[in-house]
Amino acid sequence: EVQLVESGGGLVQPGRSMKLSCAASGFTFNNYDMAWVCQAPKKGLEWVATISYDGSSTYYRDSVKGRFTISRDNAKSTLYLQMDSLRSEDTATYYCARHGVMDAWGQGASVTVSS
Amino acid sequence: DIQMTQSPSSMSASLGDRVTITCQASQDIGNNLIWFQQKPGKSPRPMIYYATNLANGVPSRFSGSRSGSDYSLTISSLESEDMADYHCLQYKQYPLTFGSGTKLEIK
Repeated sequence: EVQLVESGGGLVQPGRSMKLSCAASGFTFNNYDMAWVCQAPKKGLEWVATISYDGSSTYYRDSVKGRFTISRDNAKSTLYLQMDSLRSEDTATYYCARHGVMDAWGQGASVTVSS
Repeated sequence: DIQMTQSPSSMSASLGDRVTITCQASQDIGNNLIWFQQKPGKSPRPMIYYATNLANGVPSRFSGSRSGSDYSLTISSLESEDMADYHCLQYKQYPLTFGSGTKLEIK
């Protein structure tokens, strides 16, 4: 069974950092590009970032460029999102998703940026 | 960036009704569009991929179609379990962009 399990969310002050992890199982992780998608409270979905299957290419939405870093450890079948210089508008549930047709999603990690 | 204009933002329909939700792409995306269903407190579930292909396990009352830059998700006969938010996503080019979502309620 394909599973994606996020961890690392919580409450963080503006300007601080937080790192999310997404542990994958049930499929060959290093065959797939992976993505992070977020959803602010009572809002729509927003794509955040994508990393290629081998980590050689990364893509970001403009609002997180220079602040967020997507990475992966294929030996550990784990996806990461390092979030620096966090802002209140980054408050959201962050999902990891298997790229292609986005056919597998984690349960989401809640990130609240507030003083 | 490609804008995905989704309509309606919300709608209410009766059991058995035929329901259609639409996304219009601001640029050519070919058939690179996915429809998601999202129930409260849950992760999105892909329903249709590549604009017209039914995802695994999705009931046959769901279908996707395309007319030019307009993409539609249709539920042929609404059931109570279909109450959810629906989102479209274009994956033709980065940045990937979602529609603003449609909240579907049952009358």
